[in-house]
Amino acid sequence: GAVVSQHPSWVICKSGTSVKIECRSLDFQATTMFWYRQFPKQSLMLMATSNEGSKATYEQGVEKDKFLINHASLTLSTLTVTSAHPEDSSFYICSARDPSEIEQPQHFGDGTRLSIL
Amino acid sequence: DQQVKQNSPSLSVQEGRISILNCDYTNSMFDYFLWYKKYPAEGPTFLISISSIKDKNEDGRFTVFLNKSAKHLSLHIVPSQPGDSAVYFCAASEYTNAGKSTFGDGTTLTVKP
Repeated sequence: GAVVSQHPSWVICKSGTSVKIECRSLDFQATTMFWYRQFPKQSLMLMATSNEGSKATYEQGVEKDKFLINHASLTLSTLTVTSAHPEDSSFYICSARDPSEIEQPQHFGDGTRLSIL
Repeated sequence: DQQVKQNSPSLSVQEGRISILNCDYTNSMFDYFLWYKKYPAEGPTFLISISSIKDKNEDGRFTVFLNKSAKHLSLHIVPSQPGDSAVYFCAASEYTNAGKSTFGDGTTLTVKP
């Protein structure tokens, strides 16, 4: 089945650092990928939709300049948390949909645990 | 305003019995619904889906029921197995934009041997 790889799985860094998270579709091409954030015991909150070759679409309340998204190829999207602060600590998950699948589920990466000290 | 709600944060069931996980939604534009299963430290994995033209979809031990008038869906797992212990997320979308889904808060299912 379709596989989405997310890297790194865990990041610990100092406040003020920028952190890049990669999301790759391994065996299919994804024109669209999605970035979610999950707080403890809460649901997946959609942050933005990443579109290959064009600008990402951000959900209301998500700072575009804070969370930079680049989708330069059909298999790779990156999320950069710029000048990260402790309140940015969270679990970030990406997903992609294989357009060839009839049921069109999202395939998720295993997530990135981001801890800002 | 939470458009997809899973009112039971947790559910405990004996092995071999039926597990019923519930989900309610408020947005009448939703016409495609999915269930995902999530183990700790992993991303969610797709389980089963149903479109609004159906009221039931079955895949092995998993059955999803949709009641459009009540804006309610449920996932039945029969028989439940210890390996089914996980967090289950209900998601809803407009099929024309099926990639963009709204998720519930999840229900933690524990199946006891």
